[in-house]
Amino acid sequence: QKEVEQNSGPLSVPEGAIASLNCTYSDRVSQSFFWYRQYSGKSPELIMSIYSNGDKEDGRFTAQLNKASQYVSLLIRDSQPSDSATYLCAGGVEYGNKLVFGAGTILRVKS
Amino acid sequence: GAGVSQSPRYKVAKRGQDVALRCDPISGHVSLFWYQQALGQGPEFLTYFQNEAQLDKSGLPSDRFFAERPEGSVSTLKIQRTQQEDSAVYLCASSPSLGDLGYEQYFGPGTRLTVT
Repeated sequence: QKEVEQNSGPLSVPEGAIASLNCTYSDRVSQSFFWYRQYSGKSPELIMSIYSNGDKEDGRFTAQLNKASQYVSLLIRDSQPSDSATYLCAGGVEYGNKLVFGAGTILRVKS
Repeated sequence: GAGVSQSPRYKVAKRGQDVALRCDPISGHVSLFWYQQALGQGPEFLTYFQNEAQLDKSGLPSDRFFAERPEGSVSTLKIQRTQQEDSAVYLCASSPSLGDLGYEQYFGPGTRLTVT
């Protein structure tokens, strides 16, 4: 089992819809989780971090963490074509918080 | 403020050449990380510094890879005798963390290395 797993997609949603991205993780991953957005040819850009069970909202983004089920998700409300990118889920492991990444989910928002 | 910077942005090396990749972290960030990203994959951890101390180099794929951060700010990732499988994007990230879990990492633009 990979330490962080994501569906590679692509996930296609119409403009204005809610995009739901999911990620599961193994026991080795710690209690810190991050969502990064990566446009083609660019580096990962941090969009959300979450450390506690429950929801965390920031603008159109909501991160959800369920430690019992070992999954973390990202909801994007009112999706825009500019949200089209690869979304990387990452978890911190071990002292120093090195990150373990999933392979990423490709999101396509169609206008 | 200024983000993480990396140079060069692109590097083409002939197989067998040595390369050096530079990272300038965000000012004041204690922790610095190097990751390698292959096409279509997420970044993979290579090594981690806290100030000038290299605390974890478990991800370096071979002894041809060497990283340093002598004064606790700028870091250099060196790859000796490059091989085609070294072709990837090399990402540097920095964090204000002293090693505690939960601190956010911010990435530079990366260096795309192509070995021919």
